[in-house]
Amino acid sequence: EPEVTQTPSHQVTQMGQEVILRCVPISNHLYFYWYRQILGQKVEFLVSFYNNEISEKSEIFDDQFSVERPDGSNFTLKIRSTKLEDSAMYFCASSEARPRVYEQYFGPGTRLTVT
Amino acid sequence: GQSLEQPSEVTAVEGAIVQINCTYQTSGFYGLSWYQQHDGGAPTFLSYNALDGLEETGRFSSFLSRSDSYGYLLLQELQMKDSASYFCAVIPGDDKIIFGKGTRLHILP
Repeated sequence: EPEVTQTPSHQVTQMGQEVILRCVPISNHLYFYWYRQILGQKVEFLVSFYNNEISEKSEIFDDQFSVERPDGSNFTLKIRSTKLEDSAMYFCASSEARPRVYEQYFGPGTRLTVT
Repeated sequence: GQSLEQPSEVTAVEGAIVQINCTYQTSGFYGLSWYQQHDGGAPTFLSYNALDGLEETGRFSSFLSRSDSYGYLLLQELQMKDSASYFCAVIPGDDKIIFGKGTRLHILP
């Protein structure tokens, strides 16, 4: 069964450093997403990406964040200068074309720890 | 703004039925989804309601009333493996999902 994969599973970085989180969405999916989940809290939408551009972003997704689809398979989230409060689990997800946005397939997540 | 309300915790007995409610207030509404998340795991899609009524998928059913901005997830014949957090999630339009804070379901043997 196809699945979303993410690397690394755990990333530790120092405050102020840049990190890149990587995802490989399901191959025939057209929409890609990043979410974050602070431990014990809800899943928060960050950004959606379609047709090689951002289609929607939340207020959390400020200038520190960027996304890219550098090739036909990878989807990345970059945090330019990490802060302590960026420590969270980051999930990548993908879905088929509209209207199936409601059925998103999540990767296993990358746990980001900022020290 | 967007807000979703669901109970923080629910406890039920193995083999029983449990209902997890969700009320929402959003600026747009296409439908209501439910996701399950086990500790340390990723959310997994359970169901979706775009229209009023009940949708059944095996032991799980989901209900929506658009006029009441209300929905629920019904889990029948509870099994220990159903112990998890359950999130209702609104699709307000465009390409995103807004998740509720989640309901932690505890199942007693």
